Amino acid sequence: DGGITQSPKYLFRKEGQNVTLSCEQNLNHDAMYWYRQDPGQGLRLIYYSQIVNDFQKGDIAEGYSVSREKKESFPLTVTSAQKNPTAFYLCASRSRGERDTQYFGPGTRLTVL
Amino acid sequence: QKEVEQDPGPLSVPEGAIVSLNCTYSNSAFQYFMWYRQYSRKGPELLMYTYSSGNKEDGRFTAQVDKSSKYISLFIRDSQPSDSATYLCAMSAMYSGGGADGLTFGKGTHLIIQP
Repeated sequence: DGGITQSPKYLFRKEGQNVTLSCEQNLNHDAMYWYRQDPGQGLRLIYYSQIVNDFQKGDIAEGYSVSREKKESFPLTVTSAQKNPTAFYLCASRSRGERDTQYFGPGTRLTVL
Repeated sequence: QKEVEQDPGPLSVPEGAIVSLNCTYSNSAFQYFMWYRQYSRKGPELLMYTYSSGNKEDGRFTAQVDKSSKYISLFIRDSQPSDSATYLCAMSAMYSGGGADGLTFGKGTHLIIQP
């Protein structure tokens, strides 16, 4: 089955720790995105990547880092510099050859203890 | 003024009713309009996609875009309890690859269909 997978589904972090959220897609999509979703605030763009080895900051990149070494993978690291990391994190992908929209993974719920 | 406005609800209607969900926007450059459905603790799934103005129908769902009024709607006919979810509108000005190509989302409307 083609799709986007995110792992883990739930993640708990102690304050001061870095954690990495995984996002993998087998849709052969070029562009990938990370969003953060908080209650009442909708989706906010953290980082996006249009091609391998290239990525750009979104609206709320501070305290986050990403890499794009493979087309299929776009991991997000939540660093200790992110002051309020508890949220639902969503990864999405889009192909340049298809209609201009994005397809989402199932999400990772990160909780800071 | 926010770029995309969407009433958060909750909107509660009886089963079988016609549901109308709406978004307004301020950026006249938006050309691509989407509706996503998101169940609790799940990722959003694409429901409807339209380009520019007009209507698009898919089963019980109809998406409507009025660019002159900067207003988009999603209608759900014969609503079912399984339609209970949060509905997010999203829009984009640029086709793929053009600069900052993330979507602009509304905050979502929480819909409850009462059996």
